[in-house]
Amino acid sequence: GEDVEQSLFLSVREGDSSVINCTYTDSSSTYLYWYKQEPGAGLQLLTYIFSNMDMKQDQRLTVLLNKKDKHLSLRIADTQTGDSAIYFCAEKDTGRRALTFGSGTRLQVQP
Amino acid sequence: NAGVTQTPKFRVLKTGQSMTLLCAQDMNHEYMYWYRQDPGMGLRLIHYSVGEGTTAKGEVPDGYNVSRLKKQNFLLGLESAAPSQTSVYFCASSGAGGPGETQYFGPGTRLLVL
Repeated sequence: GEDVEQSLFLSVREGDSSVINCTYTDSSSTYLYWYKQEPGAGLQLLTYIFSNMDMKQDQRLTVLLNKKDKHLSLRIADTQTGDSAIYFCAEKDTGRRALTFGSGTRLQVQP
Repeated sequence: NAGVTQTPKFRVLKTGQSMTLLCAQDMNHEYMYWYRQDPGMGLRLIHYSVGEGTTAKGEVPDGYNVSRLKKQNFLLGLESAAPSQTSVYFCASSGAGGPGETQYFGPGTRLLVL
């Protein structure tokens, strides 16, 4: 079955760039997503990338996709304390349209 | 436009009790999903629905039942709650426009089974 893996924790200083990495196994994935979850809240879609793209930029967010290595990354420029949250990578199963999630990366931003 | 709402927000059950979690969406979405989230793990799919009157099993369906009698509502039932079902439950919905359709999530229901 599909598997999505992420590192568990990342700590950065305010103003630095953050890079959160994700690997996936399903070669038929067509869309890959990044969601943000703040404490006690639901998941908020940050951005997504179609599998025929290598990069997508959206303001402070840059998504890079290496389809050959099945590696996805999310770069947050000028990281702020408000970016502290858990970030989930997810890939979509085109058959049932459901998402397979990684276990989440907790980003801690230190002032 | 409220998006996806879930009730209740929090519930405590005793082992063996039953309850129903309600998910409602006002975006006219065809697809609806129930996930559970456990500490240190990503969300896992319990059941999903591709339209009114249809349901299907996800990754971890045992101990749960679902119904989609109305397009806007997706109910998750626990007939006999067990401590292993202590979790945070998230509902989501998406349109049927294709694989790129975004899933929108509700705020979650925290369930504690004693």
